[in-house]
Amino acid sequence: AQSVTQLGSHVSVSEGALVLLRCNYSSSVPPYLFWYVQYPNQGLQLLLKYTSAATLVKGINGFEAEFKKSETSFHLTKPSAHMSDAAEYFCAVTLGGGSYIPTFGRGTSLIVHP
Amino acid sequence: GAGVSQSPRYKVAKRGQDVALRCDPISGHVSLFWYQQALGQGPEFLTYFQNEAQLDKSGLPSDRFFAERPEGSVSTLKIQRTQQEDSAVYLCASSAGPGTGFYEQYFGPGTRLTVT
Repeated sequence: AQSVTQLGSHVSVSEGALVLLRCNYSSSVPPYLFWYVQYPNQGLQLLLKYTSAATLVKGINGFEAEFKKSETSFHLTKPSAHMSDAAEYFCAVTLGGGSYIPTFGRGTSLIVHP
Repeated sequence: GAGVSQSPRYKVAKRGQDVALRCDPISGHVSLFWYQQALGQGPEFLTYFQNEAQLDKSGLPSDRFFAERPEGSVSTLKIQRTQQEDSAVYLCASSAGPGTGFYEQYFGPGTRLTVT
């Protein structure tokens, strides 16, 4: 079984500040991990994924995430927030190795202040 | 097509009515997924197709929910005798299929179902 916990339903940052969205997972086997972004009235868009290669994963729009097995974490970061980054962000986990059913976290709403 | 499309975008149904939600995946995508997203929650898996075969329907919440993909492209999610707890956004996603592209799921904009 797998599960995902996203700490903080809302995160507020100033434009230009560091973005840090937290995700912790639970998995009985090595996981595959994902971050998605959802803009209002749109579907989810894949930002980045970890599938057991490099532990530091770079994605689109300047985001990156680091897989830390010892901490069971996969936090999402961006050095400098833009107004356009305001959206809902979801962390997801699958068991990997051919498993295709992702378990999503509850989401974190990123608010960017000018 | 350019992306995954879903119709209708919004649907209001009276309790007890049947509804049908349509998904047009990206052309050539083998895999198709349906998810249910309740307000303030992440998406939850409903069912998965590989071409026309429904390989997993473990997430369907009751036998009132039924999905099909008869020709391996367009899919329809049908909900019979809708209940208020069915109110949610229903998301469809497609991917290239088993292999390196499997985890690259492309999502449609969703259908927001409101049962009154």
